[in-house]
Amino acid sequence: AQSVTQLGSHVSVSEGALVLLRCNYSSSVPPYLFWYVQYPNQGLQLLLKYTTGATLVKGINGFEAEFKKSETSFHLTKPSAHMSDAAEYFCAVSYPPSGGSYIPTFGRGTSLIVHP
Amino acid sequence: DVKVTQSSRYLVKRTGEKVFLECVQDMDHENMFWYRQDPGLGLRLIYFSYDVKMKEKGDIPEGYSVSREKKERFSLILESASTNQTSMYLCASSLRLGQGDLSYEQYFGPGTRLTVT
Repeated sequence: AQSVTQLGSHVSVSEGALVLLRCNYSSSVPPYLFWYVQYPNQGLQLLLKYTTGATLVKGINGFEAEFKKSETSFHLTKPSAHMSDAAEYFCAVSYPPSGGSYIPTFGRGTSLIVHP
Repeated sequence: DVKVTQSSRYLVKRTGEKVFLECVQDMDHENMFWYRQDPGLGLRLIYFSYDVKMKEKGDIPEGYSVSREKKERFSLILESASTNQTSMYLCASSLRLGQGDLSYEQYFGPGTRLTVT
């Protein structure tokens, strides 16, 4: 079964500091990986995704993530945090039709807190 | 832009009541999903539907049922609400398989925060 683990339920950074949100997955086949963001009182929206090709993917609002097969990781980073980045972030994993369930499995979420 | 709307943002119901949560999407998506979101537990799939009148159980279907009579509308029903169903409910939609990467992107509604007293 596919699963995804987000390390740290809360991450606190100062404005302007590096943001690093960790995500590890378990898989016996190459996965599709996603990061979603949920701003307060809103639904989730897609930040970025990795399916095939380049392992470093860029998303909206200056975020990027790198797929590292050897580490089974897909960590989310942003060089400089902004107050508006404060939100809940979810990592998700699914698979192409030949490899398993295409319905995503979500991590438990990481709340990003940005201090002025 | 894909738009997924949910009938209520906040709902308060009494134990034992029958509760209907409605979701409508305007992008002709084949797939629709109902999730429950609880602090520390992330999103858990209750039911999904890949076509009109078709439904599949997710990870936590107990105490819930669904209805999809039209492609754009997916309803979640709590037959007899209980206090442990107090939660945030999120609806999502996506394209059917076979649309490449786009099939894997989900579009979410704003959520319905349900309180059962």
